[in-house]
Amino acid sequence: DIQMTQSPSSLSASVGDRVTITCRASQGILNYLNWYQQKPGKAPKLLIFGASSLPSGVPRRFTGSGSGTDFTLTISSLQPEDFATYYCQQSYGSPQTFGPGTKVDVK
Amino acid sequence: QVQLVQSGAEVKKPGASVKVSCKTSGYTFTSYGISWVRQAPGQGLEWMGWISGYNDDTHYPQRLQGRVTVTTNISTGTAYMELRSLRSDDTAVYYCARDRAIRLGEFAIYDNWGQGTPVTVS
Repeated sequence: DIQMTQSPSSLSASVGDRVTITCRASQGILNYLNWYQQKPGKAPKLLIFGASSLPSGVPRRFTGSGSGTDFTLTISSLQPEDFATYYCQQSYGSPQTFGPGTKVDVK
Repeated sequence: QVQLVQSGAEVKKPGASVKVSCKTSGYTFTSYGISWVRQAPGQGLEWMGWISGYNDDTHYPQRLQGRVTVTTNISTGTAYMELRSLRSDDTAVYYCARDRAIRLGEFAIYDNWGQGTPVTVS
């Protein structure tokens, strides 16, 4: 199985901060990488697909980059509604696997 | 708008089976797949299986093969996930998600999710 790791596992930030989360795959996955946001008690929500594409309705302050094994999710200016847990997911290999998550909370 | 509405919470004994439904609306069912993902309490996300709304192809992770079955009813736009021989570590919230992968091997993208179904095994 392709293992996904994320760093940091958690971070504390303030509204307006620039936040960067990294995701690393145990082998190359091209750009078969998605990012999801999950708030407590809610289902995950698609944030980024194909490493860098933004679904309609997702604010432009979210950007994704990377290819191969190393990927990043950046929030350019953290908003109150962005405090959540973020997961990366690969679907290059089977089984599809998720990273362990990065929790973003209030500083 | 796209909606996926799941069946309600379940409590099961070890060794029993559970079947969760996922009723879709707002899109053409046969143009997408459905994936199932679960989340144990306080834990991360685990993919459990996929079915094509187009041709009923299925794909499961090896670790669950033989215990999980995903089916659909195209006439009602409903997907089902059955998990058998339940154990305490199957206690989790189970989600269905609309998957842009319609054929085996395509890039899976979960763009809409159900609200989740808590399953407790005790």
